[in-house]
Amino acid sequence: AQKVTQAQTEISVVEKEDVTLDCVYETRDTTYYLFWYKQPPSGELVFLIRRNSFDEQNEISGRYSWNFQKSTSSFNFTITASQVVDSAVYFCALSEATSGTYKYIFGTGTRLKVLA
Amino acid sequence: DTGVSQDPRHKITKRGQNVTFRCDPISEHNRLYWYRQTLGQGPEFLTYFQNEAQLEKSRLLSDRFSAERPKGSFSTLEIQRTEQGDSAMYLCAGQHTNTEAFFGQGTRLTVV
Repeated sequence: AQKVTQAQTEISVVEKEDVTLDCVYETRDTTYYLFWYKQPPSGELVFLIRRNSFDEQNEISGRYSWNFQKSTSSFNFTITASQVVDSAVYFCALSEATSGTYKYIFGTGTRLKVLA
Repeated sequence: DTGVSQDPRHKITKRGQNVTFRCDPISEHNRLYWYRQTLGQGPEFLTYFQNEAQLEKSRLLSDRFSAERPKGSFSTLEIQRTEQGDSAMYLCAGQHTNTEAFFGQGTRLTVV
C-alpha cells in the first residue's frame, strides 16, 4: 500500500543553520512522483520541488536541495542557511501514475521552527 | 499566488446545517482535487475531477458530501447535515496534466 512517513514531528534550529527534513515512502508503482510542499500559518500549501521516479539526479535550487534515493525509498529535503521565514510545516507527498488520478498521499508533516 | 482561490476562507456553522464551499482554479487546470486536513495531519484526498467528470471519490466522502464541477471550471463542495467531526480545513487543488498541483488557501470549517 502507498504510504508517506515523516518521522520528524518538529524541528527547531537557529537561523543560518542547515536543516534536513526526512521523508520515506512506500509504493508498488514503478512510475511515481514525489513532492515537497510548505504550509505557512496562512494555510496555503506552497509547492517547492518535484521529482519523478526515473530521475534520481539530485539538484540544488537556491537554498533548497534534495536527496532522492530509490534504494532506500527516501526523498529528503535540505534548507541551507535557514531563515526565520522558513518557519512552517513541510509536507512530503507521493503521487502514483497507476492511480489514474495522480492524487497525492501526504505525510503527517514536519513543523520547522527557525529561531532568530 | 497559485491562481487557485477558495471561498469562504472561514465558515462557522451549527451542527445539522448545510454548507457549500467554492473553488476557482485557473482555466488551464483540467484536473481538480478536494482534500481535507485536520489539525496536525497531512491533507487527505476526498475527490477528483477530470474537467467536469468526477472520476474518483474517497471512502472519506460520506453520503452527506457532494461535489460538482459544472463545465469543468469552478467546483463546489457541499456538506449536508454537518457534524462536529466535519470540522477541518478543506483544500482545493488545480493541476494541469504532468505538472504539480497548486493549492488554494483553503476553507476552514468549524461546526459548533
